Amino acid sequence: DVKVTQSSRYLVKRTGEKVFLECVQDMDHENMFWYRQDPGLGLRLIYFSYDVKMKEKGDIPEGYSVSREKKERFSLILESASTNQTSMYLCASSAPGTSEGTEAFFGQGTRLTVV
Amino acid sequence: GENVEQHPSTLSVQEGDSAVIKCTYSDSASNYFPWYKQELGKRPQLIIDIRSNVGEKKDQRIAVTLNKTAKHFSLHITETQPEDSAVYFCAASGPGGGADGLTFGKGTHLIIQP
Repeated sequence: DVKVTQSSRYLVKRTGEKVFLECVQDMDHENMFWYRQDPGLGLRLIYFSYDVKMKEKGDIPEGYSVSREKKERFSLILESASTNQTSMYLCASSAPGTSEGTEAFFGQGTRLTVV
Repeated sequence: GENVEQHPSTLSVQEGDSAVIKCTYSDSASNYFPWYKQELGKRPQLIIDIRSNVGEKKDQRIAVTLNKTAKHFSLHITETQPEDSAVYFCAASGPGGGADGLTFGKGTHLIIQP
């Protein structure tokens, strides 16, 4: 059973702080993703990675960076947290599969509040 | 980039009736279309998916149809039950089959009335 685990369920941080969100998967998946989920906006892709040390911008990368030093771990970094980054953050992973697509497995989410 | 539109945003049906959620996408190169169900306070979970070489797929009470010409796909739930109440998201992948992430619709809150 695939397990994607995010380090925190809830976080409260102050404006301007540097924030790290951690995600670990145990299925040896090459692909990992960070999404943010906001009411009425669905899930939006922030960054993704298809290999160790590789990273690609998604649809809303501004204000974020990522790190993938090991295959199983993908970190999202908020360089200087702002109140508009208050959101639910979801990590996901998937096997490389073929060009026909494979299931993405999600973590339980981290609800970040920036005050 | 890809754009996915999903309708309706809220759908209320009587228990036992059918529910249909519709999505359109913009990128004709997209080839993988999953549907996720998210119960309150839980993570999204895949319930069914369809690939571009298939027009329809069924799994018990759930079915998905895909019209590549019109660039739309739909989720059909028959004989709805209280446990079907959740938010449903459609998504589309690019030609990389999801390796470069999924583009999600904004979600449909399905409410099953007893």
